Amino acid sequence: DIQMTQSPSSLSAFVGDRVTITCRASQSISTFLNWYQHKPGKAPKLLIYDASRLQSGVPSRFSGSGSGTDFTLTINTLQPEDFATYYCQQSYSSPYTFGQGTNLGIK
Amino acid sequence: QGQLVESGGGVVQPGRSLTLSCAASGYTFRSHGMHWVRQAPGKGLEWVAVIWYDGSIKNYAGSVMGRFIVSRDNSKNILYLEMNSVRVEDTAVYYCARLYGDKGGKWDYWGQGTLVTVSS
Repeated sequence: DIQMTQSPSSLSAFVGDRVTITCRASQSISTFLNWYQHKPGKAPKLLIYDASRLQSGVPSRFSGSGSGTDFTLTINTLQPEDFATYYCQQSYSSPYTFGQGTNLGIK
Repeated sequence: QGQLVESGGGVVQPGRSLTLSCAASGYTFRSHGMHWVRQAPGKGLEWVAVIWYDGSIKNYAGSVMGRFIVSRDNSKNILYLEMNSVRVEDTAVYYCARLYGDKGGKWDYWGQGTLVTVSS
C-alpha cells in the first residue's frame, strides 16, 4: 500500500497569513494527488486535483504543486472560513490512501 | 450541480449486517464510478471501496475485504454498501463520493455522510 505522510499534523495561523502543508508519498504517484478541506459535520470538499489543478469554484488563494513523491498545498491570505482540516489523498492505485490530516487552527 | 445523499446508518450489534445507500441526483449517475470513504470518531479519512460506472470492477480496503460489498443500481441512481459481520472498529461516518474521470480522476461530489455505530 502507498503511505501518505502529511506535515505538520496541526498548525495555528492568523487571518491573512500564508500557510503551506506538505504531503509525501511512500512511492512515486506521478501527479495523482488530491487535496481536500474538511469541516466537522460537513462533506469533504475537493480543492486541488492532479496535484496542481484548482477545482471549479475554489478560490484562487489555494494552490498545489509537486510530482512524484513530494507535494504541497499553499493557502495565501488565510480567510476565517479556511480554518479546517486538510487531507492529501493519492488516486494512483488502490487502496486510495489519505494522509493523516492537518488541523489548521486560528492563532 | 450533482448531489449525493447517504442514508441507512444507525446502531448495529457486532457481527450483524447493515446496508447503506447513497442517492445521486443532478448528473448522469451511470457514467461515473463511485467511492465509499469513512471517518471513525477522532480519526482521519479512510477509503473503503470503489465501484466502476457499470459495476464491472470493485475494489476494497483490506480492513473490509470479504465483509463489505459495494453495488449500484443505475436504473435507480443509487449506490449501496452492504456491511456484514460488522466490528466495533467499523464505527464511523460513511461518505459516498463521485469519481470524475478514469485513471486517478477526481472525487468531486461528496455526500454529508451517515453515522454507523457498532455497539452491543
